[in-house]
Amino acid sequence: EPEVTQTPSHQVTQMGQEVILRCVPISNHLYFYWYRQILGQKVEFLVSFYNNEISEKSEIFDDQFSVERPDGSNFTLKIRSTKLEDSAMYFCASSADAQETQYFGPGTRLLVL
Amino acid sequence: RKEVEQDPGPFNVPEGATVAFNCTYSNSASQSFFWYRQDCRKEPKLLMSVYSSGNEDGRFTAQLNRASQYISLLIRDSKLSDSATYLCACLGAMGRRALTFGSGTRLQVQP
Repeated sequence: EPEVTQTPSHQVTQMGQEVILRCVPISNHLYFYWYRQILGQKVEFLVSFYNNEISEKSEIFDDQFSVERPDGSNFTLKIRSTKLEDSAMYFCASSADAQETQYFGPGTRLLVL
Repeated sequence: RKEVEQDPGPFNVPEGATVAFNCTYSNSASQSFFWYRQDCRKEPKLLMSVYSSGNEDGRFTAQLNRASQYISLLIRDSKLSDSATYLCACLGAMGRRALTFGSGTRLQVQP
């Protein structure tokens, strides 16, 4: 069964450093998403991406965040200058259509020290 | 009022019990609804989509009530392996084509 994959599974970084989280969505999916979940809190939407551009973003997704699809398979989330409060689990998801089910990757646990 | 609201639980039930969760949503423009299951420190995994006509998958039944703006999940004959957090999610809840999740309801099935 096709699945979304994410790397790395864990990332520890110093405050102010840049991090890039990587995702490989399901191959025939066209819509890609990033969500985050701070420990003990709910899953929150960050950004959606379609046709090589951001289609929607939340208020969390400020200028420190960017997304890119550098090639035909990868989808990345970059945090330019990490803050302590960026520590969370970051989930990538993909769907075949905007109304279709979103399938989640296993997540990257980011810890900012 | 929260966009998507769930009772956090925990629901502690014995094996074999039937348990039901409700979830309310505030935006009537929400288009699609889902139940996801999340194990500790893992990703949300789709349990089932929720349709107005109701749908069933084995021991799981989901219902949508658009008039009252809630969705429900019924689990029959609970198994130990059903212990998890159950997340309600709405698509289009905040005028966007992204999922808005509830905080989840924790279920603990006990032997």
